[in-house]
Amino acid sequence: DTEVTQTPKHLVMGMTNKKSLKCEQHMGHRAMYWYKQKAKKPPELMFVYSYEKLSINESVPSRFSPECPNSSLLNLHLHALQPEDSALYLCASSQARGVYEQYFGPGTRLTVT
Amino acid sequence: GENVEQHPSTLSVQEGDSAVIKCTYSDSASNYFPWYKQELGKRPQLIIDIRSNVGEKKDQRIAVTLNKTAKHFSLHITETQPEDSAVYFCAARGGQNFVFGPGTRLSVLP
Repeated sequence: DTEVTQTPKHLVMGMTNKKSLKCEQHMGHRAMYWYKQKAKKPPELMFVYSYEKLSINESVPSRFSPECPNSSLLNLHLHALQPEDSALYLCASSQARGVYEQYFGPGTRLTVT
Repeated sequence: GENVEQHPSTLSVQEGDSAVIKCTYSDSASNYFPWYKQELGKRPQLIIDIRSNVGEKKDQRIAVTLNKTAKHFSLHITETQPEDSAVYFCAARGGQNFVFGPGTRLSVLP
């Protein structure tokens, strides 16, 4: 099974809402990633978890809060977002951080109103 | 840090022709170069990759070549089909993370 799943597929939220994005993989991968992708742009790395520990934070605003409850799950908690945060949020996983292939989930299309 | 450039930004070819997309990278220590295909509204899908100890890799109609000296790598698609139409992203492993190129929108005209 080489699949990464994400829920929800679409999310519309107001600037005062709190919501969470979820990601799951059952490939035994030990590295998981959150990317943000704006239209017609490449994915931009937001967070990396390696062996369930946050190993990098690419200077992402604190209104985005990641969580890795276990080796198969990854969450992204959202609070007080801005309209410019509207984007496709992609989760990815790899066998380990570094060289190995990254597999992407289908993404959550987020719209902030 | 790593910087990846990609050309062209758009490419139109006739069905059955070949398509070539080129990327350059800046970090000579980079050693892994994947290519992703992203159809409209879909996830990026890994279609082929190459590691720095190999100069060329082929998988059916898709091939990737790597020139470490010049720090560039290319994607070659032969006998293009309409379903090849998509955005293609190259990437290089800079440090421990991928750095993506800006993408190439490939259109295969019937």
